[in-house]
Amino acid sequence: DGGITQSPKYLFRKEGQNVTLSCEQNLNHDAMYWYRQDPGQGLRLIYYSQIVNDFQKGDIAEGYSVSREKKESFPLTVTSAQKNPTAFYLCASSYRDSEAGNTIYFGEGSWLTVV
Amino acid sequence: GDSVTQMEGPVTLSEEAFLTINCTYTATGYPSLFWYVQYPGEGLQLLLKATKADDKGSNKGFEATYRKETTSFHLEKGSVQVSDSAVYFCALATGANSKLTFGKGITLSVRP
Repeated sequence: DGGITQSPKYLFRKEGQNVTLSCEQNLNHDAMYWYRQDPGQGLRLIYYSQIVNDFQKGDIAEGYSVSREKKESFPLTVTSAQKNPTAFYLCASSYRDSEAGNTIYFGEGSWLTVV
Repeated sequence: GDSVTQMEGPVTLSEEAFLTINCTYTATGYPSLFWYVQYPGEGLQLLLKATKADDKGSNKGFEATYRKETTSFHLEKGSVQVSDSAVYFCALATGANSKLTFGKGITLSVRP
């Protein structure tokens, strides 16, 4: 089935460690996104990528890094510089064309907890 | 910048009650508007969308109409079910890159 796969579902990180969240899509979408969800704050955009080998910072990029070496993959690294990384992370993807309004599809999310 | 404002929650209703969840927006240009739903422990699913003024999006008994004059996109359902219990997010997208700006979400609980 087509879709977006995020892994792992649950991840625990020690202080000072970098961790990488995986996101893979087989929808042939050009654009991919990473959002962070905190209780009562909705979703906030971390990074997005419109095409392979190109990505842009979102609203809260500090302490995160991404890569887009393949169309179907957009991993997110949460670095030790991210001061409050405990959150629910959502990966998403969409077609890219000149019209806004393309539906963005989401993965099931990854829970990251700092211990 | 672009923003979305949703009514404060949570909302608790009895089964078969009428639902309205308010959403207003501020945007440059002409945004597309969306409602997403999140069931417990899951990612977001698109519920409905509208891409131009006066369009009505509908799905699973839910409806929302794009009102440019009031910059609103209120979600309605005539008769809610227990299975509608979830978090509902209003969102908008402008420009060519389609990235979404979300409201804070509102939790709906429906009692049997």
